[in-house]
Amino acid sequence: DAKTTQPPSMDCAEGRAANLPCNHSTISGNEYVYWYRQIHSQGPQYIIHGLKNNETNEMASLIITEDRKSSTLILPHATLRDTAVYYCIVRRGSTGANNLFFGTGTRLTVIP
Amino acid sequence: DTGVSQDPRHKITKRGQNVTFRCDPISEHNRLYWYRQTLGQGPEFLTYFQNEAQLEKSRLLSDRFSAERPKGSFSTLEIQRTEQGDSAMYLCASSLGGRGETQYFGPGTRLLVL
Repeated sequence: DAKTTQPPSMDCAEGRAANLPCNHSTISGNEYVYWYRQIHSQGPQYIIHGLKNNETNEMASLIITEDRKSSTLILPHATLRDTAVYYCIVRRGSTGANNLFFGTGTRLTVIP
Repeated sequence: DTGVSQDPRHKITKRGQNVTFRCDPISEHNRLYWYRQTLGQGPEFLTYFQNEAQLEKSRLLSDRFSAERPKGSFSTLEIQRTEQGDSAMYLCASSLGGRGETQYFGPGTRLLVL
């Protein structure tokens, strides 16, 4: 699976959009981009994933560049409860085992 | 609640003791994964089941670790002769499989070995 690079930490003002970047320059054509987050002492929570097209759900939007070498997770109106570690993961789309490689993620702090 | 559940949520044990953790996946999810997470690190893959078959193991899974999923539903992870280095959060995830599968995680079991 391709490796990802994320900034170690970011701050965001409450109510503003949080834009979390992720670089995955070695991504291959059948690899998906996944985002999870982990609030302190809890299990990781799935946020969103995509292959080529931008995606949106009730939690966030995922913007993938045309060359697929980077992506951005957007939390449109950050709240204090969005403070967490956010993991960008690239994982091959196969029918076999698809274990996730988490890395160290980006620690997002939402500031009142 | 129909999410992934894990039991116990916390376990304190003395070095050398055996411990067993249980994971109940989301109903009808045929895939089950175990991960381990140490302080300040992201979760690391340990092992994977497709139904009752254990199909992949990480090199992190030493011979003191054993996992089972006897009927393709719940799973257990046993650690024999625990060591202080086994102290970690043990996470379970389940999925339906497929190319764009999504893994859903449980709350984890936090183990402290004294």
